[in-house]
Amino acid sequence: GAVVSQHPSWVICKSGTSVKIECRSLDFQATTMFWYRQFPKQSLMLMATSNEGSKATYEQGVEKDKFLINHASLTLSTLTVTSAHPEDSSFYICSARTPGLAGGEQYFGPGTRLTVT
Amino acid sequence: AQSVSQHNHHVILSEAASLELGCNYSYGGTVNLFWYVQYPGQHLQLLLKYFSGDPLVKGIKGFEAEFIKSKFSFNLRKPSVQWSDTAEYFCAVNAKNTGTASKLTFGTGTRLQVTL
Repeated sequence: GAVVSQHPSWVICKSGTSVKIECRSLDFQATTMFWYRQFPKQSLMLMATSNEGSKATYEQGVEKDKFLINHASLTLSTLTVTSAHPEDSSFYICSARTPGLAGGEQYFGPGTRLTVT
Repeated sequence: AQSVSQHNHHVILSEAASLELGCNYSYGGTVNLFWYVQYPGQHLQLLLKYFSGDPLVKGIKGFEAEFIKSKFSFNLRKPSVQWSDTAEYFCAVNAKNTGTASKLTFGTGTRLQVTL
């Protein structure tokens, strides 16, 4: 099946700094990528939908200036957490949808654990 | 907007026991339905999906799910669980025919613990 990678797998940063997380579709081109946040023992919460070459669509309550998303190519989307604070500590997961399956299946990355100290 | 509820938060079963995890959704239109599994320390993997046709769908590792439209349900079943099935299970739904705007909505998940 399709493979989605994320880098880094975990990161620790100091409060006030910014962190960039990369999401890559390795063997397919993803016109749409999604960014989720998962708190311990909770479900995935969609943060934003990213379409290649256009601005991301953010879910209600997600600060677009804090969580910058860039989908510069068909295989790469990045999430930058700006001026991170301890409450931003979480597990961030990206997923990508294969072309031709609009409304269909998504493939998920392994996630990035962010800890802000 | 759609919503998904999973009523079983934590299920503990002995090996060889039968499994049924509940999933109900709320949405006014037609949907695609999914079950994902997240093994400890691993990423989400698709177990099975329903788009149309036979409401009883079979997935990987012996799992199956039945879509009952009248009940807005898509329960996951396995006749005999194994210790290796210990994982978190998520039901998800997206609205059909909404093109690139379509996005998955997840349930809160059910933690399955299988004991030897």
